Amino acid sequence: GAVVSQHPSRVICKSGTSVKIECRSLDFQATTMFWYRQFPKKSLMLMATSNEGSKATYEQGVEKDKFLINHASLTLSTLTVTSAHPEDSSFYICSAILEANQPQHFGDGTRLSIL
Amino acid sequence: GENVEQHPSTLSVQEGDSAVIKCTYSDSASNYFPWYKQELGKGSQLIIDIRSNVGEKKDQRIAVTLNKTAKHFSLHITETQPEDSAVYFCAASGNYGQNFVFGPGTRLSVLP
Repeated sequence: GAVVSQHPSRVICKSGTSVKIECRSLDFQATTMFWYRQFPKKSLMLMATSNEGSKATYEQGVEKDKFLINHASLTLSTLTVTSAHPEDSSFYICSAILEANQPQHFGDGTRLSIL
Repeated sequence: GENVEQHPSTLSVQEGDSAVIKCTYSDSASNYFPWYKQELGKGSQLIIDIRSNVGEKKDQRIAVTLNKTAKHFSLHITETQPEDSAVYFCAASGNYGQNFVFGPGTRLSVLP
């Protein structure tokens, strides 16, 4: 089945550091990738929708300068949390779809802890 | 926009019993309803989905039912096993993945 790989699985770093998270579709070309954020015991909240070769569409309230998304190819999207602060600590999950009207396939998530 | 509610928020069942999780949605244009299982510290895995042209779908011990008129859909797990313990999320979206909204999740615990 469709596999989405997310890396790294865990990041611990100091406040002010920028952190890059990669999301790769391993066995299919993803037309669209999504980035979610999940707080403890809460549901997934969509941050942005990313289409290859175009600018990401951010959800209301998500700072695009804070959370930089690059979708350079049909198999790779990256989320960069710039100048991270403790309040950015969270579980970030990406997903990808092959084409419209297809289910999303999720990565295993990245747990980001900012000290 | 779409709003998805999910109940119960927590559910404990004895091994071998059945578990039912219910979701309601608000947007009548939604026509795709997946269910995801999230194990501790991991991403979500699609376990079953249903489209609006079908009322019920089964896959071994898992089934999903959809009532479009009432705008609700349910996940049924029979003969539960400890490895079924996880958080389950329902979601609703339109044809092209737009307005993809998750429910708040249900933490299922299967007691041995």
